[in-house]
Amino acid sequence: DAGVTQSPTHLIKTRGQHVTLRCSPISGHKSVSWYQQVLGQGPQFIFQYYEKEERGRGNFPDRFSARQFPNYSSELNVNALLLGDSALYLCASSGTGGDTQYFGPGTRLTVL
Amino acid sequence: DAKTTQPPSMDCAEGRAANLPCNHSTISGNEYVYWYRQIHSQGPQYIIHGLKNNETNEMASLIITEDRKSSTLILPHATLRDTAVYYCIVRGGAAGNKLTFGGGTRVLVKP
Repeated sequence: DAGVTQSPTHLIKTRGQHVTLRCSPISGHKSVSWYQQVLGQGPQFIFQYYEKEERGRGNFPDRFSARQFPNYSSELNVNALLLGDSALYLCASSGTGGDTQYFGPGTRLTVL
Repeated sequence: DAKTTQPPSMDCAEGRAANLPCNHSTISGNEYVYWYRQIHSQGPQYIIHGLKNNETNEMASLIITEDRKSSTLILPHATLRDTAVYYCIVRGGAAGNKLTFGGGTRVLVKP
């Protein structure tokens, strides 16, 4: 069975631009969570969606938004990019919001 | 979510068991202990989790003390591919409960 997939794998943007990252959960999973991992640190929670509703939000500015589609895939959007947004963005899926989370390979975003 | 404390690093000899400790003295009754590992620049990999009882799977064993204030992840026969950062996380089971990653333990398996 396919695991969590994320696209693109790498992305380079400039300050002020907007970016959209995509995630497809494991088949049958209905919850997706997003994490940001800055170099040298552990992942930090951004959002969790379950059944297309936001179930949790981390301490990130309103420039960060997400949504979940009827097929349970998800998008993370970041507006007005800053240099500090450069990070590995991880998506994790779980059967329900409280189940074990399985991570995808991540999208490496570089902001110049 | 309860906070966890792990040693920042440890070395292990290839073929020997690796015992990774974790303290979670403020854990509450409905919180699980999860272990993940992250090999350089890859997404975290789920290893094992438990509530009260010891658990074992094909990757590792998890030993949780009776008072649940600490746990140990055991990799029975460490290989070079087990070199990674290992994260111990305490998490409730309800929707919306996030994984809070600390610094983890950087494990280096040496030949």
